[in-house]
Amino acid sequence: IAGITQAPTSQILAAGRRMTLRCTQDMRHNAMYWYRQDLGLGLRLIHYSNTAGTTGKGEVPDGYSVSRANTDDFPLTLASAVPSQTSVYFCASSAGGPTGELFFGEGSRLTVL
Amino acid sequence: GQNIDQPTEMTATEGAIVQINCTYQTSGFNGLFWYQQHAGEAPTFLSYNVLDGLEEKGRFSSFLSRSKGYSYLLLKELQMKDSASYLCAVRDSNYQLIWGAGTKLIIKP
Repeated sequence: IAGITQAPTSQILAAGRRMTLRCTQDMRHNAMYWYRQDLGLGLRLIHYSNTAGTTGKGEVPDGYSVSRANTDDFPLTLASAVPSQTSVYFCASSAGGPTGELFFGEGSRLTVL
Repeated sequence: GQNIDQPTEMTATEGAIVQINCTYQTSGFNGLFWYQQHAGEAPTFLSYNVLDGLEEKGRFSSFLSRSKGYSYLLLKELQMKDSASYLCAVRDSNYQLIWGAGTKLIIKP
């Protein structure tokens, strides 16, 4: 059972470069999310998608874009990376329902120099 | 603004009981979650409370008081593997999750 797969696991990137973090789930969940996690801060929502074909902005969307062409894939793109985007990025999905608990990928550690 | 407060770090002894508190101020309330996150790993779901009271699940219990904007996670019979960060999150009126910064729990032998 794969659940949610993220790639790459870790990446060092020069400032100004374009980067896409990949996220794939095999649970057929409608809702998917991208969070960043920084030391001393709670998880912050970057973008989300309630269903294939739709996306929305979260708390910290600037500098990031997403697409949701199908149910399984939800890539996150940094068009021109900056050092403040150094973080651990988590992709998550939810089946909805009464609890709507999130299932997280293993994370992508991104360092922008 | 919306805010979730929980202690930054706590230390407890193996075999003991520890209570991790979480207070919140949010725009509306549609449930409170606790997640466990081991160092370098993804968060995993522990519990969900939407009504006042205690929810028990094995060694872990979670309590909610909506009138006080307060929850706690109670861990009994602590084991070394319980060393992790515990994240409190509240779902607001827009069904968005607001996350606390997490409580790092250190278990000592």
